[in-house]
Amino acid sequence: QVQLVESGGGVVQPGRSLRLSCAASAFTFSSYGMHWVRQAPGKGLEWVAVISYDGSEIYYADSVKGRFTISRDNSKNTLYLQMNSLRADDTAVYYCASGYSYVVDWGQGTLVTVSS
Amino acid sequence: QSALTQPASVSGSPGQSITISCTGTSSDVGSYNLVSWYQQHPGKAPKLMIHEVSKRPSGVSSRFSGSKSGNTASLTISGLQAEDEADYYCWSYAATSTSFYVFGTGTKVTVL
Repeated sequence: QVQLVESGGGVVQPGRSLRLSCAASAFTFSSYGMHWVRQAPGKGLEWVAVISYDGSEIYYADSVKGRFTISRDNSKNTLYLQMNSLRADDTAVYYCASGYSYVVDWGQGTLVTVSS
Repeated sequence: QSALTQPASVSGSPGQSITISCTGTSSDVGSYNLVSWYQQHPGKAPKLMIHEVSKRPSGVSSRFSGSKSGNTASLTISGLQAEDEADYYCWSYAATSTSFYVFGTGTKVTVL
């Protein structure tokens, strides 16, 4: 059974930083592209970023470009999202998800709340 | 890149068929056969229902089917069941200067 377990969420003040992690298991992590997708409270899904299986291709949504950095460590089967200069509108549940052209599996999400 | 347009809500009685539309542009839905659909129950993570327009993953009921015409993709649920009540989102590869992927606005399906 594929498992994607996010961690690192919490309450953070505007302008501060936070790093999310996603631990993957039960599939060949190094063969899959990975995404971060977020969902603000009561709102729809928003694609955030994608990284190819080997990290050679990375793309971001305009809303986070220049502030967020996606990365991966295939030796640790772990995906990361470094979030800097956080704003109130970054408040959301952040999901890590496997796949590239479409998402195959999703984690359960970690809540990030940006508030003073 | 604007979100793909979906109806806010669709409803049907048990056993009926419903169709959810997902309208994009020639830069996303119209240019690539990379539309996928996700089901999300309240408080849960989304689940892949259809990928690459019409392909159904193993384990997904054959009552779910997908199609595309021009800039609009569609998800049809036949033989509607109570468990199908959920939010549904389409997603497309876009590869524009402003976004690589784009979600739909989401549709709440209600089983009457």
